[in-house]
Amino acid sequence: DIQMTQSPSSLSASVGDRVTITCRASQSITTYLNWFQQKPGRAPNLLIYAASSLQGGVPSRFSGSGSGTDFTLTISSLQPEDFATYYCQQSYSTPLTFGGGTKVEI
Amino acid sequence: QVQMVQSGAEVKKPGASVKVSCKASGYTFTNFHINWVRQAPGQGLEWMGWISGYNGHTNCAQKLQGRVTMTTDRSTHTAYMELRSLRSDDTAVYYCARDAGLALFGVVVPGVGYYGMDVWGQGTTVTVSS
Repeated sequence: DIQMTQSPSSLSASVGDRVTITCRASQSITTYLNWFQQKPGRAPNLLIYAASSLQGGVPSRFSGSGSGTDFTLTISSLQPEDFATYYCQQSYSTPLTFGGGTKVEI
Repeated sequence: QVQMVQSGAEVKKPGASVKVSCKASGYTFTNFHINWVRQAPGQGLEWMGWISGYNGHTNCAQKLQGRVTMTTDRSTHTAYMELRSLRSDDTAVYYCARDAGLALFGVVVPGVGYYGMDVWGQGTTVTVSS
């Protein structure tokens, strides 16, 4: 199974900050990498697919980059509604696996 | 609009089975796969498997093989996930989620999962307790 490691596991930030979350795969997954946002009590929401493609309806302050084993999710200017937990997920091979999550707190 | 509506919460005893439904609407059911993902209390996300809306082919996580069955009813646009021999560590919120890749005759290029899971059900809480 491909292991996905996110860092940090949590971070504190302020509105307007630039936030970067990293995700590392245990082997190359080329660009088979997706990012999700999850708020408490809600289902996850797809932000980025194929490492860097913005899902329709997602604000442009979210961006993704990387290929191979190292990936980043960047929020260019954190907004109040962005406080949530973020997960990366590889779709290169089954079982599909998620990172452990990064909780973004005020 | 595209929606996935799941069945209600369940409470089961250890050793029992549970069957969760996921009714899809707003899109052509046979053109997409459906994933099942679960989340234990306070924990991360765990992929359980997917099923093709076109032909019912499945790909399930090996750790659950033998205990999980995924099916679809194309006449009602509904997917089902049955988990047997329930244990306390199966207590979780279970989600269905549409794979975003368009499947032509059941095949997604370049692969199921590449375009992410774009529409999720509201989640079904399954509690396993004696």
